[in-house]
Amino acid sequence: GEDVEQSLFLSVREGDSSVINCTYTDSSSTYLYWYKQEPGAGLQLLTYIFSNMDMKQDQRLTVLLNKKDKHLSLRIADTQTGDSAIYFCAERRNYGQNFVFGPGTRLSVLP
Amino acid sequence: GAGVSQSPSNKVTEKGKDVELRCDPISGHTALYWYRQRLGQGLEFLIYFQGNSAPDKSGLPSDRFSAERTGESVSTLTIQRTQQEDSAVYLCASSPQDNEQFFGPGTRLTVL
Repeated sequence: GEDVEQSLFLSVREGDSSVINCTYTDSSSTYLYWYKQEPGAGLQLLTYIFSNMDMKQDQRLTVLLNKKDKHLSLRIADTQTGDSAIYFCAERRNYGQNFVFGPGTRLSVLP
Repeated sequence: GAGVSQSPSNKVTEKGKDVELRCDPISGHTALYWYRQRLGQGLEFLIYFQGNSAPDKSGLPSDRFSAERTGESVSTLTIQRTQQEDSAVYLCASSPQDNEQFFGPGTRLTVL
């Protein structure tokens, strides 16, 4: 399809790991991104991965990329209440408006 | 400041009025994007500038929407004859050479 897809909601307990999944559309996309949006705020870039990589780790964040399946995931280790937010994945395509965003996954962290 | 700024932060207007939303990108960023985010929804692409040109206007929802960019810097998004369905947060982002986007805080538009 034409859309970047994400599940809309995820709930985890504080201290557990969170895994947010995304399916993107264009196998030629060069960069894939994860953004975080806290209530009432703009989007904050968390991390991104180049398409020739399988994995990228940055402190509590681990990004996994499966190019064959066009599947991207974001794992947050030791999830904290401050991680509660909406997480958007995005792909950078090589044509048109370049960046296409998913609908966002609302992560709720329960105490 | 070092980031993308947008003004006003909030705008309340009456149906049928025109509004102008402003974006000041990060200095030196050649690409500039406008998105719309309705309450509880994802980002909807509106328009993309490379320099002062707009190679992709495909997301503008109607001819009531227009945007311009001058001096490879400031951009203005204009909505004419606003409708209630235009109520949303309008987000601007800038990017150095189309790689990584940096977002502004958005303008929350409410059309009564």
